[in-house]
Amino acid sequence: QSALTQPASVSGSPGQSITISCTGTSSDVGSYNLVSWYQQHPGKAPKLMIYEVSKRPSGVSNRFSGSKSGNTASLTISGLQAEDEADYYCCSYAGSSTQGFGGGTKLTVL
Amino acid sequence: EVQLVESGGGLVQPGGSLRLSCAASGFTFSSYWMSWVRQAPGKGLEWVANIKQDGSEKYYVDSVKGRFTISRDNAKNSLYLQMNSLRAEDTAVYYCARAPLLRHFDYWGQGTLVTVSS
Repeated sequence: QSALTQPASVSGSPGQSITISCTGTSSDVGSYNLVSWYQQHPGKAPKLMIYEVSKRPSGVSNRFSGSKSGNTASLTISGLQAEDEADYYCCSYAGSSTQGFGGGTKLTVL
Repeated sequence: EVQLVESGGGLVQPGGSLRLSCAASGFTFSSYWMSWVRQAPGKGLEWVANIKQDGSEKYYVDSVKGRFTISRDNAKNSLYLQMNSLRAEDTAVYYCARAPLLRHFDYWGQGTLVTVSS
C-alpha cells in the first residue's frame, strides 16, 4: 500500500499546457489500466476528472486528458484557465481490492 | 442526482470510538462497491476501506486494520465506518465515495471531520 509519486507543484500561464506525472510500480500503475485523476479545490470534495487512464466523465472539459506508459501515468491540461488552479491527485487500483493515491500536486495558474 | 451525505464526525479523545454514517440517494445503492477515503489537515487523500455490494467482502488500509470496520445497510441506503482505538493520526476529513467495480471513485460526499485530541 505505497503512495504513488507526484510532483508537489506545477505551474503554468493561462492558455498554456501542463502535465502532471504519477509514478507507481509494476504492482499498481504498471499492472492495471485503472488510473484515475481527481481535482480538489480548497475546502471542497474531490471531483473525478479522468478514469481508466484516459476516459473523461460526462461534463469534464476535453482540455483534460490522461495517458500511461509503463509505471507512470500522466494528466495533461491544455489551454490552462484560472479555474483549473487546484490540487490534483492520481489514484490506481493496487490489486487485492485496494487502491492507492498519489501525494497530490498543487497547480498554480500564473 | 447522486448524493452522498456523511455525518457523525466530531471531537474524540485518543483511544475513543466514533461511528460515521453516509446516506446515499439517487442511485441503486445495493449495486455498487462503496468506500471511505480520508484526508488529514493539509495532507493528501488516503484510501481507507472498501465494501462489496452485499457486504460480503471488506478491505482496509494497513493502518486501520483491526481498529476500523466498514459496513452497510442496503435497506437503508447507508454506509458506515466504525472507528475504535482512535489515534491522533486518524484526525482527518472522512469522505464516503461510490466506487464502481473499484475502478475509480465517481461520486463523493462533502466529508465529515474527525478530530482525535485530548
